[in-house]
Amino acid sequence: GQNIDQPTEMTATEGAIVQINCTYQTSGFNGLFWYQQHAGEAPTFLSYNVLDGLEEKGRFSSFLSRSKGYSYLLLKELQMKDSASYLCAARGYGQNFVFGPGTRLSVLP
Amino acid sequence: DTAVSQTPKYLVTQMGNDKSIKCEQNLGHDTMYWYKQDSKKFLKIMFSYNNKELIINETVPNRFSPKSPDKAHLNLHINSLELGDSAVYFCASSQVTTEAFFGQGTRLTVV
Repeated sequence: GQNIDQPTEMTATEGAIVQINCTYQTSGFNGLFWYQQHAGEAPTFLSYNVLDGLEEKGRFSSFLSRSKGYSYLLLKELQMKDSASYLCAARGYGQNFVFGPGTRLSVLP
Repeated sequence: DTAVSQTPKYLVTQMGNDKSIKCEQNLGHDTMYWYKQDSKKFLKIMFSYNNKELIINETVPNRFSPKSPDKAHLNLHINSLELGDSAVYFCASSQVTTEAFFGQGTRLTVV
């Protein structure tokens, strides 16, 4: 079966660092993706891992451990505009993206 | 130039009606998808099409039917709409090695 799990909500302070964890089980594995979704908008792509290790893209980094079925998204120097839902998605066979329930991040001043 | 566009953005209709949502992508991608996002914000795959062939058909009611006239278009037809169909529907596309690009979403409200 396929299952993606991530925390429902997180709160952090402006300027801080936050780590959003994701665990996954998929039929086959073709990558782990992170998306950001603001209320009322479409998901937008943030980061992607297919091999173990850390991928860094500006203030956002994503880590993957395939043996553990685990990923995290790291957001540095948090800004108010980072308040959004963060979706973890695993890609299995057949090019299907299976999304987790999303983590709603609130950034406080 | 919008990469993935879907219309309409809002759709309000009565129970029992039949409606369609259109989706077009200009990215040259081979795979297109329809996702449903419910009130709890869970994004769930409904269909995906690869080169006009249905490759995934999740357990959705057969009132929902995807139609793809060519690989740049994947429309969603819904028959006999029910209250529980109210949600935001997202179209998306991707290549084998790329992320999925999403359309703006269609907020469907069934009254």
